[in-house]
Amino acid sequence: GQSLEQPSEVTAVEGAIVQINCTYQTSGFYGLSWYQQHDGGAPTFLSYNGLDGLEETGRFSSFLSRSDSYGYLLLQELQMKDSASYFCAVCNQGGKLIFGQGTELSVKP
Amino acid sequence: DSGVTQTPKHLITATGQRVTLRCSPRSGDLSVYWYQQSLDQGLQFLIQYYNGEERAKGNILERFSAQQFPDLHSELNLSSLELGDSALYFCASSPLGGGATETQYFGPGTRLLVL
Repeated sequence: GQSLEQPSEVTAVEGAIVQINCTYQTSGFYGLSWYQQHDGGAPTFLSYNGLDGLEETGRFSSFLSRSDSYGYLLLQELQMKDSASYFCAVCNQGGKLIFGQGTELSVKP
Repeated sequence: DSGVTQTPKHLITATGQRVTLRCSPRSGDLSVYWYQQSLDQGLQFLIQYYNGEERAKGNILERFSAQQFPDLHSELNLSSLELGDSALYFCASSPLGGGATETQYFGPGTRLLVL
């Protein structure tokens, strides 16, 4: 079967750094993506890792270790507007995106 | 604004009824995906169409069906509705057939409430 695990909730303060972990079990793994969703709005793409290592995009970075079936999203210099749900998603054979249950990030002043 | 449009934004209906949700992909995108998001749930992949043909199928119920038309817009039909079908339904599009490196662009969603 296929499954993804990520924490349901994370809380951090403005200006801090937070890491959201994602472990997965899937067949035919091709890559790990991260999406952000604000309160019932449209999910928006944040980053993608197809190979092991770190990808950096501004304040956000994403990491993948294929051998450990593990990845994380790192958010730096947290802002209030970063309060949202963050989903990891694995792309498997056929190009289907399988999403995790999401991590709700609350940024406090 | 992702460029993906969905109508209607909200839909309230009764059990046993049938509804149709509509999606227009970004200009030039060939793939359309449908997802269901129930309260406090992740996004459940339902189905993908690429250039008019069904490309991939997820956990889509037999009561649900979809199609993609020659102009590439797509419709998701939900029939014999049950209370548990109440959810946000998202459409997404991508330029080609999907794949690991293709970003999916999501529409604003249709919020369905079945009473």
